[in-house]
Amino acid sequence: EAQVTQNPRYLITVTGKKLTVTCSQNMNHEYMSWYRQDPGLGLRQIYYSMNVEVTDKGDVPEGYKVSRKEKRNFPLILESPSPNQTSLYFCASSSPGTVNSPLHFGNGTRLTVT
Amino acid sequence: QQPVQSPQAVILREGEDAVINCSSSKALYSVHWYRQKHGEAPVFLMILLKGGEQKGHDKISASFNEKKQQSSLYLTASQLSYSGTYFCGTDKDFGNEKLTFGTGTRLTIIP
Repeated sequence: EAQVTQNPRYLITVTGKKLTVTCSQNMNHEYMSWYRQDPGLGLRQIYYSMNVEVTDKGDVPEGYKVSRKEKRNFPLILESPSPNQTSLYFCASSSPGTVNSPLHFGNGTRLTVT
Repeated sequence: QQPVQSPQAVILREGEDAVINCSSSKALYSVHWYRQKHGEAPVFLMILLKGGEQKGHDKISASFNEKKQQSSLYLTASQLSYSGTYFCGTDKDFGNEKLTFGTGTRLTIIP
């Protein structure tokens, strides 16, 4: 089944403790992206990647890192999480890009930073 | 900059029609529409490319006016299953695709 898989689904952590949210897609998509969703603010893009080893900042990249060493994986790294990063995170993929192709979303990761 | 959606929320009775608008302050190359049910991931509805096209499937259609930098989503004879939050996403450039979403329109359909 074609899908985008995020792990974990739920994560509670403490301020400053490094964490990684994994994202993997099995559709051979070139484009992958991370969004965070907060009430009243919609989906805001954190980082995106047009292909392996090509990443770029979205609208809210501060406090986050990403890497794209393999086509299927696009992990989101929070090196020193803070409470304002408590949010619902979605990974998404598309091929070849988003201009004329739909985004396929993962099921989301709900992160709470205390 | 995020596109602006209106209205922010709307409540309809089954069978009524709805229009959701999405406008941008910058020139657009394409517009996406997604629906998100509570607790679920957004699901793709349709993409419109610049050229003023109109698309639709079932009783949901959309238009894209690139001169006005806006798109509208039309839901006719709404069904209970149409309830959810609708997001538009806009792309400004081809080849450097940075899809930016609006803040969403919450649609509630009541029997």
